Amino acid sequence: AQKITQTQPGMFVQEKEAVTLDCTYDTSDQSYGLFWYKQPSSGEMIFLIYQGSYDEQNATEGRYSLNFQKARKSANLVISASQLGDSAMYFCAMREPPTDKLIFGTGTRLQVFP
Amino acid sequence: AAGVIQSPRHLIKEKRETATLKCYPIPRHDTVYWYQQGPGQDPQFLISFYEKMQSDKGSIPDRFSAQQFSDYHSELNMSSLELGDSALYFCASVSRQAAVGSGANVLTFGAGSRLTVL
Repeated sequence: AQKITQTQPGMFVQEKEAVTLDCTYDTSDQSYGLFWYKQPSSGEMIFLIYQGSYDEQNATEGRYSLNFQKARKSANLVISASQLGDSAMYFCAMREPPTDKLIFGTGTRLQVFP
Repeated sequence: AAGVIQSPRHLIKEKRETATLKCYPIPRHDTVYWYQQGPGQDPQFLISFYEKMQSDKGSIPDRFSAQQFSDYHSELNMSSLELGDSALYFCASVSRQAAVGSGANVLTFGAGSRLTVL
């Protein structure tokens, strides 16, 4: 069975600084997909970034980048130039075959302070 | 762009009552997933439908049932509600057929339905 581990229950970062949120995963599949979602206090789940297991380059989406280290089975999210609006819960997730449902980690609560 | 629509957004019920949550996926999305997120928890997969047929089942209690209709909207029916059913219920949709080969099956989530059982 697949598993996602997020070991940081909470993280603090100062505005305009960069922050890395850790995610490790466990799977026996050769082909898999990893996702990061943001959940603000309002509750909605917002897709941030995707990394496929065969993608040779790390994914980037604006201020978000994914530090993908396949051999170490890690897919850390890097947020550059943090903003106050980045304060939220962040979930790492993996797509599980055959129905492609997402399996989530326990999340990391990020707080950005001025 | 159209998003996943969930209704109601908030629902308050008494123990042992029933509740029905509705989900309207993005047009042309062929797969719908239901998730339950308890307070301070990560979302837990309940059930999914592909082309109106149940495709996968997770930790969904026997008191819950779901279906997907001909117009692709889905409903989650919950009976004999318990205090522990209080949670945020998400519906998500994706076009798995369209994403074949691309790899990026990005599930789009609705805003969620917050159920409170008193």
